[in-house]
Amino acid sequence: EVQLVESGGGLVKPGGSLRLSCGASGFNFSVYTMHWVRQSPGRGLEWVSSISSSGSYTYYSDSLKGRVTISRDNSKNSLTLQMNSLRAEDTALYYCARDPQSSEFPRPNYFDPWGQGTLVTVSS
Amino acid sequence: EIVMTQSPGTLSVSPGERATLSCRASRSVYNNLAWYQQKPGQAPRLLIYGASTRSTATPARFSGSGSGTEFSLTISNLQSEDSAVYYCQQYDQWPPMYTFGQGTKLEIK
Repeated sequence: EVQLVESGGGLVKPGGSLRLSCGASGFNFSVYTMHWVRQSPGRGLEWVSSISSSGSYTYYSDSLKGRVTISRDNSKNSLTLQMNSLRAEDTALYYCARDPQSSEFPRPNYFDPWGQGTLVTVSS
Repeated sequence: EIVMTQSPGTLSVSPGERATLSCRASRSVYNNLAWYQQKPGQAPRLLIYGASTRSTATPARFSGSGSGTEFSLTISNLQSEDSAVYYCQQYDQWPPMYTFGQGTKLEIK
């Protein structure tokens, strides 16, 4: 069974940092493009970042570019999102999601499946 | 950025009836459109991709149609378990700038 399990969320003060992780199992992690998507009551569902299967290509939403870094460790089946200079508007449930098909190079795609999410709260 | 607009915001339909949910893109996304279902406390689940192709676990009661800027999700013979929020997502842009609609909440009377 394909599983994606996020961790690392929590309460952080504005300007602080947080490192989110996503552990993958049940599939060959190293051949799939992976994504982070967040959800908040005010902003709805919002794509955050994507990384190619090898990690060579990374993409970021304009709203978070420069403040987040996506990375992966294929030897550990792990995806990471390093978040810096956090703001109140970054408060959200952060989901890890997978591309539906394996590919060497990233391409436009939908997300399937999704993890259950990890909650990030930015507040003083 | 491609803006996705869903309507209506909330839809209340009786069991056994049919519900039609709409999604409009601010510019053509061809057929690069997906639909997701999200139940309370759960992550979104893929229903439809390519505007009209059901994912493997999606019942045949769910159908998607449309292309370009106008899309719809139709759910026939509504069941109580179809109560959820439904989102559309475009995946036409590259480099990626994926965007979602704001969602339609479907209530089963």
